[in-house]
Amino acid sequence: AIQLTQSPSSLSASVGDRVTITCRASQGISSALAWYQHKPGKPPKLLIYAASSLESGVPSRFSGSGSGTDFTLTISSLQPEDFATYSCQQFNNYPLTFGGGTKVDI
Amino acid sequence: QVQLVESGGGVVQPGRSLRLSCAASRLTFSTYAMHWVRQAPGKGLEWVAVISYDGSNKYYADSVKGRFTISRDNAKNTLYLQMNTLRAEDTAVYYCARASNTLFGGFDIWGQGTMVTVSS
Repeated sequence: AIQLTQSPSSLSASVGDRVTITCRASQGISSALAWYQHKPGKPPKLLIYAASSLESGVPSRFSGSGSGTDFTLTISSLQPEDFATYSCQQFNNYPLTFGGGTKVDI
Repeated sequence: QVQLVESGGGVVQPGRSLRLSCAASRLTFSTYAMHWVRQAPGKGLEWVAVISYDGSNKYYADSVKGRFTISRDNAKNTLYLQMNTLRAEDTAVYYCARASNTLFGGFDIWGQGTMVTVSS
């Protein structure tokens, strides 16, 4: 199975900060990667698909980049509602796998 | 509003069975592949299983292969997960999710989740 390694596992940031989260795949996955935001008691929310495409309705401060094995999620200016956990997921082949998550808090 | 609603969770003893359901409304259920994803307490997300739009193809995580069965009834707009020989490590919130038809499109719609607790 393809392993996804996210870093950091947690980070502290302030409103207005630029935040970057990385996801590294154990083998090349082209652009078959999605990013999700999830908060306690709620289902995950799709932010980015196909590595860099913004899901409809998601604020433009979120962006994704990368292909092959190295991917990045960037939040250009952190807002109060962005404090959450972020996870990457690969769609290159089965079994699908998620990264371990990155918790963003104050 | 497009909606997925899971049901069937609860407390069950190790070795017993449970069947989860996921009812879809206001979406063309029969044209999408559907997935189950779970999150154990304090852990990250774990993909569990997928079924193609017509039920002809299914894949499972190694951790549930041979114990869980995914199925669907397109006439009833409902997805199922039959879970047998449950273990303590199966304790988690179980989500059903729709796979976008866009290439590498991700899971664009999720249910609210149903909790499964495996404990004696």
